[in-house]
Amino acid sequence: QVQLQQSGAELVKPGTSVKLSCKASGYTFTSNHMNWIKQTTGQGLEWIGIINPGSGGTSYNVKFKGKATLTVDKSSSTAFMQLSSLTPEDSAVYYCARGRRVYPYYVMDAWGQGASVTVSS
Amino acid sequence: DTVLTQSPALAVSPGERVTISCRASESVSTGMHWYQQKPGQQPKLLIYGASNLESGVPARFSGSGSGTDFTLTIDPVEADDTATYFCQQSWNDPHTFGAGTKLELK
Repeated sequence: QVQLQQSGAELVKPGTSVKLSCKASGYTFTSNHMNWIKQTTGQGLEWIGIINPGSGGTSYNVKFKGKATLTVDKSSSTAFMQLSSLTPEDSAVYYCARGRRVYPYYVMDAWGQGASVTVSS
Repeated sequence: DTVLTQSPALAVSPGERVTISCRASESVSTGMHWYQQKPGQQPKLLIYGASNLESGVPARFSGSGSGTDFTLTIDPVEADDTATYFCQQSWNDPHTFGAGTKLELK
């Protein structure tokens, strides 16, 4: 079955960066796009962006351009998201979610368990 | 950005029928999807493309709508359905989510 295993919780200092991982199994990694989503109590769910593991092509929500960088390692079927110049407003649970193409749109049909990021000095 | 508006909370009794609404600030055609999230868990896809039931999801769940007005129906509601339900559109960029409707059982 499709599984997305995310890295663990992070406690990081303001101004630093963090790199989250999402290891996929149970399907061909390059056959589906990967989304990243931010969840906070105040802002709810926000779509950060999407990456095509086959080509490395990305598309970002304008709000997260410059904040998030999406990459993949095809050899290990793992997607990564690096968050830079962290502030307390970046404290959230971050999810990866597999994108399934159902023409003419994508749906997020499998989600990782989430990774908590806390930004605090 | 496309704003999705949901009512914040509902309370129903087991066995009843419940409808959860989602209104979009602009047309999303049928690019509307519904997710269920229980406390401490990740969201789970229930309905995609406004009305298509995701594989493995009970037929008690159904969706309808197009354009700007959408509905998720649960009939009959069971105790295990206590959760927050989110709508999400993938028609317009960026993809956006509603704030969620918290369903409680009486």
